[in-house]
Order: sequence, then C-alpha cells, then structure tokens
Amino acid sequence: AQTVTQSQPEMSVQEAETVTLSCTYDTSESDYYLFWYKQPPSRQMILVIRQEAYKQQNATENRFSVNFQKAAKSFSLKISDSQLGDAAMYFCAYRGQDSGYALNFGKGTSLLVTP
Amino acid sequence: EPEVTQTPSHQVTQMGQEVILRCVPISNHLYFYWYRQILGQKVEFLVSFYNNEISEKSEIFDDQFSVERPDGSNFTLKIRSTKLEDSAMYFCASSDMGGDRTDTQYFGPGTRLTVL
Repeated sequence: AQTVTQSQPEMSVQEAETVTLSCTYDTSESDYYLFWYKQPPSRQMILVIRQEAYKQQNATENRFSVNFQKAAKSFSLKISDSQLGDAAMYFCAYRGQDSGYALNFGKGTSLLVTP
Repeated sequence: EPEVTQTPSHQVTQMGQEVILRCVPISNHLYFYWYRQILGQKVEFLVSFYNNEISEKSEIFDDQFSVERPDGSNFTLKIRSTKLEDSAMYFCASSDMGGDRTDTQYFGPGTRLTVL
C-alpha cells in the first residue's frame, strides 16, 4: 500500500510571508494523482490544489503552488503571501491509477499564521 | 457552486444503537465515497460506490457498515450497532470521472458522530 508522509506536524508563518509544507510518498506506480486539502477549524475538507503525475509542469492556484519532484517522490505545497485565513490543517493525499478510488492521506501539518 | 451536503452535522447515540448518516453528492457526479477521521488522526478511506454497488472498501468497513443510494440523490452510511470507537467525523465525497482523469473528490462538511 502506498504511504504518504508529512514530516512536519506543525508549521508557523508570519502574515504575508511564504511557507512550504512537505509531503513525500511511496509508490511503485508511474501514473497517479496528488492532492493538497485544507481543513480549517470547521473540519470541512477543502481542495487546495491537485497534480497529475504525468504532467511535468507544477500546478498553481493563485497563491498556492506545488513543487512536484517525481523521481524523489516529493510533493511540497508553497503558500505565498500567507493570510490569516490560511491557518488550518493541510493534508497531502495520493490516489493511484491502478489502486482504486481511495484517497490515501498523510497525517497532516497544522499551519499557524501569525500577524 | 455545487457542493456536497451532509446531515446531520452532529449525531449523538448510545453504544449499540444504529445510526444512518446522510449525504447528497454533487448532482452530476457518479462516484461516491465515505471517509472517517478520528479526532486528531488522519482521514481514512471507508468505501467507494459506483453504479449502485460498492467499488472498493477498506478493512475498517466491516459487516457493521453498509451503504445505500436509496433514491437519485441521497447516499447513506449505516452503522448497525455502534461502538465507542466509531466516534469520529464522517465525510462523504463525490467525484465525476467524466473527461477529467484527475477524478477530484469533493468533500461534504462532515457529520460528527459521538457514541456514548
């Protein structure tokens, strides 16, 4: 089974600064999908960004971008110009092409944004 | 913007009782999922559902659990005899494989289940 590792239980960033959350995964598949979800205190799961493994270009959504390193099996999330509303748990998730529909989540990183 | 809805937002039940958690997926989606998150832990996959049958299920999804799509809009998760360890947040999600190979799953707001 694929494992997803988020090695930073907690991170802190000042408002307007940039922060990078790390995620690594273990897989033998060549085609798969990666996601970052945000979970604010309301506990709703909100999609932040997604990346298809067959695409070399890193995905970007406004202030959010990823650094996808396929060979290193790394998928980090960069948040630029951090805002107070970015404070949340961030979960990295993997879905394999051949391993069914289930999303396999990491344990999450708690992001604190300070004024 | 279409969204997944879940009811109730919070359910309190006694151990051994049956509970039904309800979800209305996004209307043109074809695949439906249930996940759970025990407080302080990661989100875990329970089951996926397509074309009126289970596509896959995890080890967590034992005989105490069942899913159903009783009509064209609702998708339910039933726990027959709740245990203390079933206390968790339960998330419903839906996706549309369509032409989007990414198969992004959109989550509902969750139902917090408390078993006493």
